[in-house]
Amino acid sequence: KNEVEQSPQNLTAQEGEFITINCSYSVGISALHWLQQHPGGGIVSLFMLSSGKKKHGRLIATINIQEKHSSLHITASHPRDSAVYICAALSNFGNEKLTFGTGTRLTIIP
Amino acid sequence: DTAVSQTPKYLVTQMGNDKSIKCEQNLGHDTMYWYKQDSKKFLKIMFSYNNKELIINETVPNRFSPKSPDKAHLNLHINSLELGDSAVYFCASSLGRPSYNEQFFGPGTRLTVL
Repeated sequence: KNEVEQSPQNLTAQEGEFITINCSYSVGISALHWLQQHPGGGIVSLFMLSSGKKKHGRLIATINIQEKHSSLHITASHPRDSAVYICAALSNFGNEKLTFGTGTRLTIIP
Repeated sequence: DTAVSQTPKYLVTQMGNDKSIKCEQNLGHDTMYWYKQDSKKFLKIMFSYNNKELIINETVPNRFSPKSPDKAHLNLHINSLELGDSAVYFCASSLGRPSYNEQFFGPGTRLTVL
């Protein structure tokens, strides 16, 4: 079992829908990252959070440390949001390495 | 200007060859990373350097050797390439220790071993 699990693995939605991607982790962490991998392969960091909630434009990330769970929400989804979204847990001991989830492939249909 | 750049973007080579992938960042960061993304798109840390010092060295064959000549560069040399080394390799950088700030990724190098 992977230390970082994401759900769903694939998500297809209509333009304008509210999107939620979930991430659960089993390790102690100091922070959690959300990344976006474009269809062309490039990776962009969306959020790094260790508590509460962060918002950037139409994207919102939340984390519940006690439940070891984080969510990424996209409001008013658009076809350009189509990408793979990856959560990664930063361990809070030793060498602070990132452990990645398997990713969620999001497709937004016009 | 590209923040984190990698060369080459594509690398096709024969089994048994030795190859290098270069990474440079112009963000003034002091921590750099190498990640491997396999055919199932799963990312995994390989190495991390902070101020030219190796801080993360995951279970990677010793055919892989990172070299950091200065804080702005982290190169990856691979000896005796094997079919299983085929993957996309991403370089990344951040300011300070990994827990301090987000990481910026390079465009990736797609390595194909024939």
